[in-house]
Amino acid sequence: KNQVEQSPQSLIILEGKNCTLQCNYTVSPFSNLRWYKQDTGRGPVSLTIMTFSENTKSNGRYTATLDADTKQSSLHITASQLSDSASYICVVSSGYSSASKIIFGSGTRLSIRP
Amino acid sequence: DTEVTQTPKHLVMGMTNKKSLKCEQHMGHRAMYWYKQKAKKPPELMFVYSYEKLSINESVPSRFSPECPNSSLLNLHLHALQPEDSALYLCASSQESISYNEQFFGPGTRLTVL
Repeated sequence: KNQVEQSPQSLIILEGKNCTLQCNYTVSPFSNLRWYKQDTGRGPVSLTIMTFSENTKSNGRYTATLDADTKQSSLHITASQLSDSASYICVVSSGYSSASKIIFGSGTRLSIRP
Repeated sequence: DTEVTQTPKHLVMGMTNKKSLKCEQHMGHRAMYWYKQKAKKPPELMFVYSYEKLSINESVPSRFSPECPNSSLLNLHLHALQPEDSALYLCASSQESISYNEQFFGPGTRLTVL
């Protein structure tokens, strides 16, 4: 069964600290993996997208890694800011045809405290 | 223009009302999507339109009726909804309805059914 699991479910850190969010997936065939940031009551915004051959990608203070062998990804946030408070959703795409699927993780709710 | 817009931002309706949600994109994308998102849950796919034709209906109740008048517009007509239909409704678009194409999300419509 295609699944995407994220941990932790929620996380609270102090402003300025770093944190790492995890995503494990059992999706086959794998197409790509994306990390989205979703502010409360808003639509998700894409942070990074990685294909099978990519193992790291950065977007400012956000760095995503992908290990296609162990089917794990992480999102590292450096020097957190209050505006980083949001839900972070890992999304894995399966297949390459029009019948391909997108599987969403349940997200990690990150709270940054001043 | 890399934006997906949705109107209204908030909607409160009774169970006997008829209302519509609207979504618009001008990125030349040929696939458009409706998602439903409950609090603290990932988005759930409802409908996919590809080249203005309905290609996926994820067994959504008939009280939700999608419409794609042209390649830039997507509507969701609502009738006889239930309180449990209260949720954030997200519209998204992508170049094609293939999972490896990045989806761009709108800000959502917060729907409350009384």
